[in-house]
Amino acid sequence: KNQVEQSPQSLIILEGKNCTLQCNYTVSPFSNLRWYKQDTGRGPVSLTIMTFSENTKSNGRYTATLDADTKQSSLHITASQLSDSASYICVGPDFGNEKLTFGTGTRLTIIP
Amino acid sequence: EAGVTQSPTHLIKTRGQQVTLRCSPISGHTSVYWYQQALGLGLQFLLWYDEGEERNRGNFPPRFSGRQFPNYSSELNVNALELEDSALYLCASSPGTSYGYTFGSGTRLTVV
Repeated sequence: KNQVEQSPQSLIILEGKNCTLQCNYTVSPFSNLRWYKQDTGRGPVSLTIMTFSENTKSNGRYTATLDADTKQSSLHITASQLSDSASYICVGPDFGNEKLTFGTGTRLTIIP
Repeated sequence: EAGVTQSPTHLIKTRGQQVTLRCSPISGHTSVYWYQQALGLGLQFLLWYDEGEERNRGNFPPRFSGRQFPNYSSELNVNALELEDSALYLCASSPGTSYGYTFGSGTRLTVV
């Protein structure tokens, strides 16, 4: 069964600091891996989509990395802002169909 | 361009009742996906519709059903509501591929 595991479950950091969120997956074969940001009570919003051939991808202050050998991805947030407070969800696809496998997310809280 | 719109945003139902949730995809998107997100849990795949047909469904009982209309909008129906059906129901659309997956803001269903 494909699984996506994220760590930590929750994280609190000071505004302006950097942080890194982790994602381990067992999706096989690998197609693409995504990171979403979900504000409380809202739908997830796509941050990055990475294919097998990419090992890093940036979207503003968000940088995702991918190690296909170890099946690990990370999301690095630089110079955090209060608006970064949200859940960050790692998503891997079930290759061959449209059922994405969602991690349970990391709840990030930025404090002033 | 209008995003994925869902209605209603919130509703409260009593156990045993039936509910219909609605989703309008982004213009040009033919695929609609439904997900359930219970409090503190990851998104669970419910249903996938494409070109008016149900293409796949997740591990949910038959009382969860839906349909897609010729204009690609979709409904999710839940019969015989149970307390554990309380969740955020998210709709997403895509242009028929696994890229460009855009979520709506969701419908918060509370069953009492």
